[in-house]
Amino acid sequence: NAGVTQTPKFQVLKTGQSMTLQCAQDMNHEYMSWYRQDPGMGLRLIHYSVGAGITDQGEVPNGYNVSRSTTEDFPLRLLSAAPSQTSVYFCASSTGIQAYEQYFGPGTRLTVT
Amino acid sequence: QQQVKQSPQSLIVQKGGIPIINCAYENTAFDYFPWYQQFPGKGPALLIAIRPDVSEKKEGRFTISFNKSAKQFSLHIMDSQPGDSATYFCAASTGGSYIPTFGRGTSLIVHP
Repeated sequence: NAGVTQTPKFQVLKTGQSMTLQCAQDMNHEYMSWYRQDPGMGLRLIHYSVGAGITDQGEVPNGYNVSRSTTEDFPLRLLSAAPSQTSVYFCASSTGIQAYEQYFGPGTRLTVT
Repeated sequence: QQQVKQSPQSLIVQKGGIPIINCAYENTAFDYFPWYQQFPGKGPALLIAIRPDVSEKKEGRFTISFNKSAKQFSLHIMDSQPGDSATYFCAASTGGSYIPTFGRGTSLIVHP
């Protein structure tokens, strides 16, 4: 099993550009989520999904969109990138039974200039 | 509002020392308390977890102590090694919400 995969690993955007961060998992996990990690701020939840077709907002959803058309994929879209979105983004998945055990991907480091 | 408060933000110890990372919470509905370990350039990974009906849990050199009345829990790393240098996150979750709430993390450096 590859676990949770994320692409790209690094990305540089100009202010106002849009892009999609890809996330996929091959563990048949129901739950998937997106976090951003900033120095001194820990892991902050952006959006999450409890199953295909179901998504909800987390702590810092503004400027991001998600959709979940399949169990495996959970892309994160930046609509109009801003310097404040410079961060490291992690996708995670978990089962419904042991939802506290999040399996994280390797992360995407995004810089917005 | 920070639901899980973690301290210290950074910690430096010598090899063989016992670093201690502390976390406190307010929500008494939390019923599962995991710790995650993150190495530079990697995603966090579950290290050890405890339920509030247990006061202590050990896995290898890692020990969680839990004080339900004080709403505090802590991670102790026995005989710390340079390979333990990482960022550690405490977290808390409830049975009704699968989303764990994370602390802000502690950057641990273990000098040889």
